[in-house]
Amino acid sequence: AQTVTQSQPEMSVQEAETVTLSCTYDTSESDYYLFWYKQPPSRQMILVIRQEAYKQQNATENRFSVNFQKAAKSFSLKISDSQLGDAAMYFCAYSVIKAAGNKLTFGGGTRVLVKP
Amino acid sequence: DTGVSQDPRHKITKRGQNVTFRCDPISEHNRLYWYRQTLGQGPEFLTYFQNEAQLEKSRLLSDRFSAERPKGSFSTLEIQRTEQGDSAMYLCASSRTQGPLNIQYFGAGTRLSVL
Repeated sequence: AQTVTQSQPEMSVQEAETVTLSCTYDTSESDYYLFWYKQPPSRQMILVIRQEAYKQQNATENRFSVNFQKAAKSFSLKISDSQLGDAAMYFCAYSVIKAAGNKLTFGGGTRVLVKP
Repeated sequence: DTGVSQDPRHKITKRGQNVTFRCDPISEHNRLYWYRQTLGQGPEFLTYFQNEAQLEKSRLLSDRFSAERPKGSFSTLEIQRTEQGDSAMYLCASSRTQGPLNIQYFGAGTRLSVL
């Protein structure tokens, strides 16, 4: 069974500083996608960044970047120049490319607190 | 796109009652997913539809749960004889079959409280 583990229940960062969220996953598949989703309080989950497992280059989206280590099955998210609006729950997720429906398997989440 | 819409946003019910939730996906998205999220946890997959066909169901979806997607548009999730353990946030997501990475777009969820 595929599992996703986020070992940090909560992370705190000063505004304008950088924070890194960790994620590890366990799979026997070779082709898959990895995602980071953001869930603000009482609001819908939105996609932050995604990575195809066959791509060696790490994905970047503005202030968000990932460090994808396929051999180690690690997929960390770095938030640079943190802003108050970054405060939310962050979920790492995984889906198998060849699986019907591409259902997402999520980790338990990391709460990010941003201090002004 | 107007986004994924879920109704109601909150539902409080007594144990043993039946409840029904609705999800309206992004137009032209032919895949629709239901997930359940308990407090402090990540979402867990329940079931998904491609058009009107329900193609996969999780073992989490007991026989008290039923989902439909008539005509491949909106979907409903019904829970019969609710139990306190059903209290959770029920999330709906939709995606295209084709396109980059089959990205799933989520609704704001329906929070169910069973008293």
